[in-house]
Amino acid sequence: EAGVTQSPTHLIKTRGQQATLRCSPISGHTSVYWYQQALGLGLQFLLWYDEGEERNRGNFPPRFSGRQFPNYSSELNVNALELEDSALYLCASSTHVGTTNTGELFFGEGSRLTVL
Amino acid sequence: ILNVEQSPQSLHVQEGDSTNFTCSFPSSNFYALHWYRWETAKSPEALFVMTLNGDEKKKGRISATLNTKEGYSYLYIKGSQPEDSATYLCASLQAGTALIFGKGTTLSVSS
Repeated sequence: EAGVTQSPTHLIKTRGQQATLRCSPISGHTSVYWYQQALGLGLQFLLWYDEGEERNRGNFPPRFSGRQFPNYSSELNVNALELEDSALYLCASSTHVGTTNTGELFFGEGSRLTVL
Repeated sequence: ILNVEQSPQSLHVQEGDSTNFTCSFPSSNFYALHWYRWETAKSPEALFVMTLNGDEKKKGRISATLNTKEGYSYLYIKGSQPEDSATYLCASLQAGTALIFGKGTTLSVSS
C-alpha cells in the first residue's frame, strides 16, 4: 500500500513568488494535514482538510492557503513568499471519525522549500 | 492557544542506558496524546496514541504513560540502542482541533 506522497521534494523560489506543494494521502484516508517545520522550531500546524473542506487553521497569515480535491489529495499554496517561509512542509493523512479524530497521523517525507 | 512542552530538548546516552522524556500539555478539553519517532531523513512515525487517564502502552523496549488530570506523559526507553537515536515528538489533541506538536526531544545513543 502506498504511503503519503508529497511533491516536489525540493523547491527553490525567490521572495514574492508563489509556491505550490502537493500531497496524496493514503488510500481511504479523508483527512489531510499540513505542518511547517522551520529551522529551530517544532512542527507548526498549518491547515486541516477533511471531505474537501477546511476544518481548522493554525496561526499563519492568509497567504498560506490550500484546498482538498474530490480524490482527497491536497495542495498547499504560499503566496508572496518571504525568506522566513523557508522550511520543511510535511503533509499527513488519517482516517476521520466524527469531529475529532484520535487516530494516528501518517506522514509524507516532506517538501523542502527554500526562499532566496 | 494550546502549548505542548517537551523536556529535555536533547539527550545523549550510552548504549544500554535507560532514559525517559517528559511531555506536558493543557489538560482541558483533552482528547488524545500521541508520541511519534522521527528518524533523520525519514517521516515521523506513530509510536503510541493514548486517550485515557492512566493509560500505559508498550512497544518492545519503549513504553509510555499518560496523566490527563495533571497534563503530562512520560516516554521510557529501556536499554537504549543506537537505532533508538531519533527525535521523539509528543502531540496533544483537543476537541475539534488538529494535533499540536511539541518541539521534540532529540535522543542520541552512542555504542
